[in-house]
Amino acid sequence: KQEVTQIPAALSVPEGENLVLNCSFTDSAIYNLQWFRQDPGKGLTSLLLIQSSQREQTSGRLNASLDKSSGRSTLYIAASQPGDSATYLCAVRWETSGSRLTFGEGTQLTVNP
Amino acid sequence: AAGVIQSPRHLIKEKRETATLKCYPIPRHDTVYWYQQGPGQDPQFLISFYEKMQSDKGSIPDRFSAQQFSDYHSELNMSSLELGDSALYFCASSLGALGRGYEQYFGPGTRLTVT
Repeated sequence: KQEVTQIPAALSVPEGENLVLNCSFTDSAIYNLQWFRQDPGKGLTSLLLIQSSQREQTSGRLNASLDKSSGRSTLYIAASQPGDSATYLCAVRWETSGSRLTFGEGTQLTVNP
Repeated sequence: AAGVIQSPRHLIKEKRETATLKCYPIPRHDTVYWYQQGPGQDPQFLISFYEKMQSDKGSIPDRFSAQQFSDYHSELNMSSLELGDSALYFCASSLGALGRGYEQYFGPGTRLTVT
């Protein structure tokens, strides 16, 4: 079964800390992987998209890496700020599952001032 | 830049009523996806359309139907609503659905509450 798992489910850090969010997936035959941010009760904001042929993508203070062979992706957030507090979701598009995205359950991040 | 538009943003219905959710994709995007996010859950794929044809089907109840129109907007029709249908419904769009790498852009969602 194709599944996406995110650990930890929740994370609380002091402002300014660098942090890593983890995403693992059970089938390495992926087209791409997307990281999203979701504020409570709000929509999904796409942060980074990594194609299967790529190893990492960077946007500002965010860096996402992809290791297909081990079925893992990480989202690195540098110099965290209280405004980064949100739930972060990773989603995988598999080669054998059409165009749908399969989401992990998310990591709820709290950055304390 | 134009984003995915969903309407209405909030909807309150009673059990056994019918609801229609609308989605307007980013201009030139030809693929629309629908996802359902229950309280405290991750989004679950319902259905998608590419060039007005159903391209993929997920865990969509038989009480729900959807279509994509000639202008590429899509509607999700939900009948015989149940309390468990209360959720945030997202629409996403992309340029192309076949092949690799197309990024999905999500709308703000429609919050459906069934009482």
